[in-house]
This record gives sequence, structure tokens and C-alpha cells, in this order.
Amino acid sequence: AQKITQTQPGMFVQEKEAVTLDCTYDTSDQSYGLFWYKQPSSGEMIFLIYQGSYDEQNATEGRYSLNFQKARKSANLVISASQLGDSAMYFCAMREDNAGNMLTFGGGTRLMVKP
Amino acid sequence: NAGVTQTPKFRILKIGQSMTLQCTQDMNHNYMYWYRQDPGMGLKLIYYSVGAGITDKGEVPNGYNVSRSTTEDFPLRLELAAPSQTSVYFCASEGSGFYNSPLHFGNGTRLTVT
Repeated sequence: AQKITQTQPGMFVQEKEAVTLDCTYDTSDQSYGLFWYKQPSSGEMIFLIYQGSYDEQNATEGRYSLNFQKARKSANLVISASQLGDSAMYFCAMREDNAGNMLTFGGGTRLMVKP
Repeated sequence: NAGVTQTPKFRILKIGQSMTLQCTQDMNHNYMYWYRQDPGMGLKLIYYSVGAGITDKGEVPNGYNVSRSTTEDFPLRLELAAPSQTSVYFCASEGSGFYNSPLHFGNGTRLTVT
């Protein structure tokens, strides 16, 4: 079974609008962390935001926020006020405390921001 | 700080050749990882190391070898390159080994095997 599922292969958003990128995960571990990375066309992997399984509040980092719904096992990334530079691949990933803390990635979502 | 540095950036190999992808980090991190990313896909773990002298297999280790003689360096060796190893390879590191710590990635090595 997939540990991390990103169901949106590609998405368009109008510049200055908000967009939500979906991520669901599968774990029986109580202690785990969820991460979002951005991969622009230049190829590097850029860490955006982190949410811990015990965190009661949703994580926020500037224009990025994480909509964490633990019971539904979802950790959606919300980007507010989209900019042209947000066009990139976005990966959701998870580290599980009882699985050697390996970082497991989803398949990614390609976001394209329209001017 | 340089962070995680990978060399080379690009390489073309013929089938059956071998090569070593270099990775070095200057953050004194104990934990280092090698991932591969096939076109349009997420990253898959090849090998990882929790400290100098200790390495272990990830999800897709076949066709690769690693060593970790120092904290800073974690080279990935390809023996008998095959077209299936055409991919982008990422090295990463982090310091704690805990689930709440993000990995720091190098810029990747794009490898083509023909």
C-alpha cells in the first residue's frame, strides 16, 4: 500500500488566488512527521513546511499552511496568494518514528500558476 | 555554508560502465541518504547511513553500493550501469535522526545510461 498519496498529478491556479494540494498518508505509528517539499524546474528540493503528529495547531510558514486532519490522515498544503514563482512540483513526505525515520515521498503534484 | 554538495551535476554512461556519485556535507550531520527520482515520480530511497562506518539498504538498493568512511562523505557507487539506472540522484543529510527533522538535499546528479 502507498504510504503517501497525492491524487492530483497537475493543477492550475490563477495568480494571486489560493490553492490546496492534497496529501493523504497511511501509518499505524503514533509518532510521525509530515513534510512538504517544492521542486522547481531547476531541480533542487526545497523544504517548505513541517507538521508533527502531536501538533494540535496547523503549521504555517509565510504563504504556506498545512491543513492537518489527523483522523482523516490528510495533510493538505495551502498556498495563499499564488505567485508565478510557485509553479513547480510539490511533494508530500512522511517520517515514521517506528520505521527507522526514513523519509517516504508521494508521487508529487505539478502546480502551474497562470498570469 | 555549502550544505550538501553533489558532484557531478550531469553524467552520461555507457551500459556496463561504472561510476561514483560524490556527496559531501559540512553540517556535521550523522544521517545521510541517497535517493533516486525517475521522470515524473517521487523520490525513492536507495541507501542510508546513520553514521561513519554504518550503512543500510533502502527501498531500491540493487545495482548500487555505498560507503561511509567519514561523517562528511557518502559516495554512491554504480557498478555495471544499466538503462534502468537513468535517473536523477539526490543526496540528503540531517542531524538528529528524529521524525520531526527535515532532510537537507543536494542539487542532484542527472545520470543517463545509454
